[in-house]
Amino acid sequence: QSVLTQPPSASGTPGQRVTISCSGTNSNIGSNTVNWYQQLPGTAPKLLIYSNTLRPSGVPDRFSGSKSGTSASLAISGLQSEDEADYYCAAWDDSLNGPVFGGGTKLTVL
Amino acid sequence: QVQLVESGGGVVEPGRSLRLSCADSGFTFNSYGMHWVRQAPGKGLDWVAVISYDGNKKYYADSVKGRFTISRDNSKNTLFLQMNSLRAEDTAVYYCAKDRYSGSSAAFDIWGQGTMVTVSS
Repeated sequence: QSVLTQPPSASGTPGQRVTISCSGTNSNIGSNTVNWYQQLPGTAPKLLIYSNTLRPSGVPDRFSGSKSGTSASLAISGLQSEDEADYYCAAWDDSLNGPVFGGGTKLTVL
Repeated sequence: QVQLVESGGGVVEPGRSLRLSCADSGFTFNSYGMHWVRQAPGKGLDWVAVISYDGNKKYYADSVKGRFTISRDNSKNTLFLQMNSLRAEDTAVYYCAKDRYSGSSAAFDIWGQGTMVTVSS
């Protein structure tokens, strides 16, 4: 059981907009920033969004993040086949004194 | 090119020890916190441990506390994970990851390729 809660799966067709939710508590998302990772099959995770809304250099602006209270969301617009991957949210947890991850959402591009 | 390269994985019997290493190239290693994150086969990401840029602060997941030790040698740009009393549930790909900041956060902006640890008799 992961500390942060994500839907196990999501899907969309090319060009669509898809959102993935991430729910936590006051000790993690409620008091710290949220980060999102993309893991393509057979590869290491890649930082996609940090500090709730910021994109590292090289990440397309089709990817965006938001946070409200103890929940956060990742939105992917203009869905492409290469976006098919697992997506994880993460935040620091003040009670556990460490980062916590969501269980991951497998995105399928139909 | 900025990269991290892990080594030291392998097959080990329950109760035995293993030491993982992670060598950096391309960034100022001694300026950033460093983490170990693992992923069991077919499962999600699981944070293991973090060490601050100067090695003075270390935090561990409850599941490995007292068994694993994270350390770093800034003179050799290398991160370590000493794993003792290994259990079957420690079987996973172990990634080292660079924190975006000097301390500890959940923002890991550079990841290694991972090294597989299998605990089995």
